[in-house]
Amino acid sequence: NAGVTQTPKFQVLKTGQSMTLQCAQDMNHNSMYWYRQDPGMGLRLIYYSASEGTTDKGEVPNGYNVSRLNKREFSLRLESAAPSQTSVYFCASLQVVGEQYFGPGTRLTVT
Amino acid sequence: GEDVEQSLFLSVREGDSSVINCTYTDSSSTYLYWYKQEPGAGLQLLTYIFSNMDMKQDQRLTVLLNKKDKHLSLRIADTQTGDSAIYFCAEIPFSGGYQKVTFGTGTKLQVIP
Repeated sequence: NAGVTQTPKFQVLKTGQSMTLQCAQDMNHNSMYWYRQDPGMGLRLIYYSASEGTTDKGEVPNGYNVSRLNKREFSLRLESAAPSQTSVYFCASLQVVGEQYFGPGTRLTVT
Repeated sequence: GEDVEQSLFLSVREGDSSVINCTYTDSSSTYLYWYKQEPGAGLQLLTYIFSNMDMKQDQRLTVLLNKKDKHLSLRIADTQTGDSAIYFCAEIPFSGGYQKVTFGTGTKLQVIP
């Protein structure tokens, strides 16, 4: 049982490049989330997926897209990266009621 | 709407107790969580409490909930240098369906040897 896994762990992009952050969970959780963490701002929700096949915007969705490929996987795509998207990105999953499990994070730098 | 607030910084001496505070605003039934984040790592769940409880104790950790004031606290007894981290409180209203999670900004705990 690996929990929540994220790839890559680190990434450096140039402005305008695109990339996809991958997330997978093996706990059969329905809900999955993408957050970004910036100094002094806590975690801000980018997008979430309440169940397979559904996605909704969170607090800061601009510049991002997501795909809930199946129950296990929830990917986050940056179509045209900007320096303001330099951050640490966390994926999480949640049971119906209870603990929210986090992945180890992806540290993204956009130059 | 929901808004979760925390103070940004707390410094304590090793062996003392630490108390980290959090206020939340949602008025419905809710779960309240405490997470720990060590440098360069993800968030680790420490404990959680449902809003119909007043207190929960787990070894060195004590969670107190004041529902009237919507105030949540995490007390760490006999604080150790390994407790140095950022602590986040989070709120999940129980709606029977999707749970929207709101995090506080985090409190950085510094333990002085």
